[in-house]
Amino acid sequence: DADVTQTPRNRITKTGKRIMLECSQTKGHDRMYWYRQDPGLGLQLIYYSFDVKDINKGEISDGYSVSRQAQAKFSLSLESAIPNQTALYFCATSLGAEERQFFGPGTRLTVL
Amino acid sequence: QQQVKQSPQSLIVQKGGISIINCAYENTAFDYFPWYQQFPGKGPALLIAIRPDVSEKKEGRFTISFNKSAKQFSLHIMDSQPGDSATYFCAAHNFNKFYFGSGTKLNVKP
Repeated sequence: DADVTQTPRNRITKTGKRIMLECSQTKGHDRMYWYRQDPGLGLQLIYYSFDVKDINKGEISDGYSVSRQAQAKFSLSLESAIPNQTALYFCATSLGAEERQFFGPGTRLTVL
Repeated sequence: QQQVKQSPQSLIVQKGGISIINCAYENTAFDYFPWYQQFPGKGPALLIAIRPDVSEKKEGRFTISFNKSAKQFSLHIMDSQPGDSATYFCAAHNFNKFYFGSGTKLNVKP
């Protein structure tokens, strides 16, 4: 969905480095999510936020942190990247109690 | 432990055929079951969804069949086309969170 953007689209980093993935949306949605996609595992929820002051851990939050800088921006940080965090990362948004989620184009992260 | 189990992992169908992807779940509290379609290099996009009080939902060539007692639901793609070649994910929703299946890579041969 073009209204949900992610930067960078591709990133190669080294073990131990701190990196940040950013998500912005122009949909006016209040809820934002970070997922990780691995081959054969589908999408797994890392963190989610229902508004700027409400941030919640998902299934696989260890090794990750997030920041909701504004309603439209939700960043995912890897404090000290490790190779098994190599994956495709997706940001998603939704509006209120509506279940439909809108996904960004993804960030392919490689940790060497 | 995956809360939603999806099969098959990959599927090859001839053009014009029927593609069927299956999902099973255990948590009876799930209240919404979407299917997402993902093309290479893109994020998943909602294709069709169903609630557990309905046994079937059809939108064009895409149909969800839902069996509440068996805790299973499936996606049927009628008259499959090469443009349907993508990865499909089922999901289930509960308490503001989604649980996704592992995905099925569909290849429709011309």
